[in-house]
Amino acid sequence: QKEVEQNSGPLSVPEGAIASLNCTYSDRGSQSFFWYRQYSGKSPELIMFIYSNGDKEDGRFTAQLNKASQYVSLLIRDSQPSDSATYLCAVKVNAGNMLTFGGGTRLMVKP
Amino acid sequence: GAGVSQSPSNKVTEKGKDVELRCDPISGHTALYWYRQSLGQGLEFLIYFQGNSAPDKSGLPSDRFSAERTGGSVSTLTIQRTQQEDSAVYLCASSLAMAGTASQETQYFGPGTRLLVL
Repeated sequence: QKEVEQNSGPLSVPEGAIASLNCTYSDRGSQSFFWYRQYSGKSPELIMFIYSNGDKEDGRFTAQLNKASQYVSLLIRDSQPSDSATYLCAVKVNAGNMLTFGGGTRLMVKP
Repeated sequence: GAGVSQSPSNKVTEKGKDVELRCDPISGHTALYWYRQSLGQGLEFLIYFQGNSAPDKSGLPSDRFSAERTGGSVSTLTIQRTQQEDSAVYLCASSLAMAGTASQETQYFGPGTRLLVL
């Protein structure tokens, strides 16, 4: 079992809809959770991080963390074609280690 | 301020040649990471440096790969006797620290070096 898992997609949503991206992790002791966006041919850029159970909102983006169920989600409200990209989940698996990245989910927002 | 910079942005080489890729981290960032990303694939961790500690080389795919970080700042990734399977985008990232708060651990990526081995 991989430490951080994401559905590779593609996840296709119509413009204006809510896109829901999910990430599961294997280590219950994981502490910090990050979402990155990577446009085709570009390098990953940070969207947001979360470390407490519950929701964290930043503009159209909401990160949701459920440590009991070991998943973290990213919701994108009012999806735009410009949101089409690969979304990478990264987890701080334990205190002594660096971030572990999932394989990414490709999101396609259709006009 | 300035972000992570990498050079060259593109490199085409012949099989068997050595290549050097350079990374300049964000000023003040003590942790530096190298990843490889093949077309359509996820990030493959290669190596990281944290301050003056010994680097974690656990991700290097073979002994043809090596990296150093001079003066706690600039890093060079060297690939000797390149093979066609080495063709990929090599990404460098830096963070304030490898371990700390989420803010300190956030990795910021450079634009990458696209390596093509013919």
